[in-house]
Amino acid sequence: DIVMTQSPDSLAVSLGERATINCKSSHSVLYTSNNKNYLAWYQQKPGQPPKLLIYWASTRESGVPDRFSGSGSGTDFTLTISSLQAEDVAVYYCQQYYSTPPAFGPGTKVGIK
Amino acid sequence: QVQLVQSGAEVKKPGASVKVSCKASGYTFNEYNIQWVRQAPGQGLEWIGRINRNSGGTNYAQKFEGRVKMTRDTSINTVYMELRRLNYDDTAVYYCVRDRIAEVPAAMGYWGQGTLVIVSS
Repeated sequence: DIVMTQSPDSLAVSLGERATINCKSSHSVLYTSNNKNYLAWYQQKPGQPPKLLIYWASTRESGVPDRFSGSGSGTDFTLTISSLQAEDVAVYYCQQYYSTPPAFGPGTKVGIK
Repeated sequence: QVQLVQSGAEVKKPGASVKVSCKASGYTFNEYNIQWVRQAPGQGLEWIGRINRNSGGTNYAQKFEGRVKMTRDTSINTVYMELRRLNYDDTAVYYCVRDRIAEVPAAMGYWGQGTLVIVSS
């Protein structure tokens, strides 16, 4: 099974500043035949289900603000919030869907400094 | 619009079973896999299994093999997840999830509102 890790566990960023979350998989999630990374990012606010932000490692879901961006390939990935807004306070999870069982990272809690 | 509406909260005793339903609407039911994910209080997300779009076949996480059963009723666009022999560690919010696209594998695009299952004596 692929194991996902994230860093940091939590971070606090000033409004308008950049937030960066890292995600690592124990096995590459790059499918070489189509050159796609099977990696997604989700945002979860208290009392709500997770919301898909990014898929294929770097494609924003429809309606997601462009301050959210994903990058990376293979085993190392990053979610960046370019200018943190108050409504971005949440826990963020990465997830691989390259193989079964799909696996989530442990989450990174983002707050306001 | 795509909607997944789950059944209400449950309180069960240890050793009992729970069956959670997930009614889908807004899309062609048989074209997408449905997965189940749970979240214990204050914890992360854990994949339980999926029911496949075409055959209705299932894949379960090894941890739940022998204790979980996922079924569907295509006449009412509803998927069910039954978990047996409940223990206190099964206390969690259970989510049904639809793949973002019909192509598999895919990211988890649509989530139900969640069903809280509490295991308590």
